[in-house]
Amino acid sequence: NAGVTQTPKFQVLKTGQSMTLQCAQDMNHEYMSWYRQDPGMGLRLIHYSVGAGITDQGEVPNGYNVSRSTTEDFPLRLLSAAPSQTSVYFCASSYSGSLVTQYFGPGTRLLVL
Amino acid sequence: KNEVEQSPQNLTAQEGEFITINCSYSVGISALHWLQQHPGGGIVSLFMLSSGKKKHGRLIATINIQEKHSSLHITASHPRDSAVYICAVWDTGNQFYFGTGTSLTVIP
Repeated sequence: NAGVTQTPKFQVLKTGQSMTLQCAQDMNHEYMSWYRQDPGMGLRLIHYSVGAGITDQGEVPNGYNVSRSTTEDFPLRLLSAAPSQTSVYFCASSYSGSLVTQYFGPGTRLLVL
Repeated sequence: KNEVEQSPQNLTAQEGEFITINCSYSVGISALHWLQQHPGGGIVSLFMLSSGKKKHGRLIATINIQEKHSSLHITASHPRDSAVYICAVWDTGNQFYFGTGTSLTVIP
């Protein structure tokens, strides 16, 4: 099993550009989520999905879109990048439930100029 | 507002020392997780608990639901334990809230 994979590992964007961060898992997990990690603030939930076709907003959803057309994939789209979106982005997946292991991807470091 | 507070923020210990990291939370939760973030950035799950105590090797996690408090203990600390330890709570609405982490350095 590859676990949770994320691409790209590093990306530089100019303000206003759009891009998609890819996340995939091969563990047949129902729950997938996107987080951003900023210095001194900890991880914050952007969007999450409890299954294919179902998505919901987290704590900081503005400026981001998601979709979940398959169980395996959960892409995160930046519609018009802003310097405030410079961060490290983590995707995670798990089976449904609160007492289950969360599996994190390796992260994508994004710099918006 | 911070739903999850961790202390201390930074911790330096000598190899072999007993270490305690504390986590307090303010929301109703279904479960509490402890995570470890390696210096390279990768995040792994250490514990998930909703009551009592769990032990994996030299790591012990406890939770007191009434006091909304959890502790992570490391016995006989080792330099390979150097990492950031993150407390996260799973609320009743399918969302995680994370503490800012405790950066641990264990000196040989």
